[in-house]
Amino acid sequence: QLQLQESGSGLVKPSQTLSLTCAVSGGSISSGGYSWSWIRQPPGKGLEWIGYIYHSGSTYYNPSLKSRVTISVDRSKNQFSLKLSSVTAADTAVYYCARGSPDSSSSPFDYWGQGTLVTVSS
Amino acid sequence: QSALTQPRSVSGSPGQSVTISCTGTSSDVGGYNYVSWYQQHPGKAPKLMIYDVSKRPSGVPDRFSGSKSGNTASLTISGLQAEDEADYYCCSYAGSYTFSYVFGTGTKVTVL
Repeated sequence: QLQLQESGSGLVKPSQTLSLTCAVSGGSISSGGYSWSWIRQPPGKGLEWIGYIYHSGSTYYNPSLKSRVTISVDRSKNQFSLKLSSVTAADTAVYYCARGSPDSSSSPFDYWGQGTLVTVSS
Repeated sequence: QSALTQPRSVSGSPGQSVTISCTGTSSDVGGYNYVSWYQQHPGKAPKLMIYDVSKRPSGVPDRFSGSKSGNTASLTISGLQAEDEADYYCCSYAGSYTFSYVFGTGTKVTVL
């Protein structure tokens, strides 16, 4: 059974860079056809897609966050990462990592991590 | 890229049916048959319930069904059960240039 687990700093100061990692177990992150996404949810609010990386290494980002986001993959550790720069209080959210299913060209998010809360505060 | 519009809440009694709408534009919902629906219980990660407008992943009860007309997609829960009480989010592929996704505003389903 595939499992995803987020980890990283739970508290980040304004203007600094948020860094999170998603460890994948029960399957290979290098398997063809999958995409690996980051999605966030501010407290009490809705979901926002941040971006994803394909098994090929290609990355695609939410246009509203594109200038601040970097998603990368470490195949040797079977994990992928998120960096979000110049954070503000508006970036406070639960951050989820998720897998995009190969069952459709739209890559719906079929496996999710449990989520990790990141608070931006001085 | 604006969030897709969903009603804030819907409710129904056990055994009844409820329908949640998800309205977007021709650039997202109306432009592709790539709408998915997610169920989220409090404090939990979302769960995929429907993809490609009307397809159900293995293990999802057939009480859940999806459809689309123009720029509006819908999720119908038939034979409502207590465990269906949750937040529901639609999501659409949103661009052949940006390869991006947009989520809906979310709907709270209450089982009376």
